Amino acid sequence: QLQLQESGPRLVKPSETLSLTCLVSGGSITSAGVHWGWIRQAPGKGLEWIGNIYHSGSSYLNPALKNRITVSLDTSKNHFSLRLNSVTAADTAVYYCAREILYDSTAFSHWGQGALVTVSS
Amino acid sequence: QSALTQPPSVSGSPGQSVTISCTGTSNDVASYNRVSWYRQPPGTAPKLLIYEVSNRPSGVPDRFSGSKSGNTASLTISGLQAEDEAYYYCSSYTTTTSVIFGGGTKLTVL
Repeated sequence: QLQLQESGPRLVKPSETLSLTCLVSGGSITSAGVHWGWIRQAPGKGLEWIGNIYHSGSSYLNPALKNRITVSLDTSKNHFSLRLNSVTAADTAVYYCAREILYDSTAFSHWGQGALVTVSS
Repeated sequence: QSALTQPPSVSGSPGQSVTISCTGTSNDVASYNRVSWYRQPPGTAPKLLIYEVSNRPSGVPDRFSGSKSGNTASLTISGLQAEDEAYYYCSSYTTTTSVIFGGGTKLTVL
C-alpha cells in the first residue's frame, strides 16, 4: 500500500528556508509514471498548490511562489523534497505531499498526513 | 490568479442530494477536463472523490458524481450521510498556474 510521509523542521525563522522531504513507501517514485506534488493549507484556509515534479526531474511550479521554490527528487532514496526560501509568517501552513492518480490528471489520490510548519522567531 | 469559485456552505438532510458548484474561466474549467473534487474532514488530509470531471477512484461510492457544463463543474452527493459532513474542494488544470483549487465549501448534514 502506497504511503507518503512528510518530514522536516516544524519551526522556521522568518527569512530562513523551509525544507521538507516526502518519503514514499510501498511503491517506487520512478515506476509510477505520474507527478508528485506539494500542496499547502494555511490555518483555517483553503488548499494552495505549490508545485509538481516528475521522476525525470522536470517540474512545474506555482508562479506566485516560483521565485522562492525548489522541488527536487532523489530516486535512490525514493523521496522528493521542497525548499521554500525567505519565509514569512504567511508561509505558516500544513504542507502536504501527494501523488497524482494518473499522469497529468492534476488529481492527487495519495496524500501524506501533512506537516504543520510554523514561521516564527 | 484567483481561486475557483465555490459556495462557502451548503446543507442537506440525511438521504437527500446536494450539489456543490465550482466556477472557473476559459483558462481552466471551461477548456480542460482535468477537474477534480476532494473531501476534507477537519484535521485530516484531503481525499480524492472525482478526477477528470466524472471519474471515481477505486473505493469511492457511486453516491458521488461529477459533471461539467461550460465554465462550471459540479459535485453531486446523493443519499447524504452524516459522515459526509466536511469541507469539499474542487481543482482544475489552468493555463496560468497549472493547478488551481477552489476556495472550499462546508457541507453541513442537518
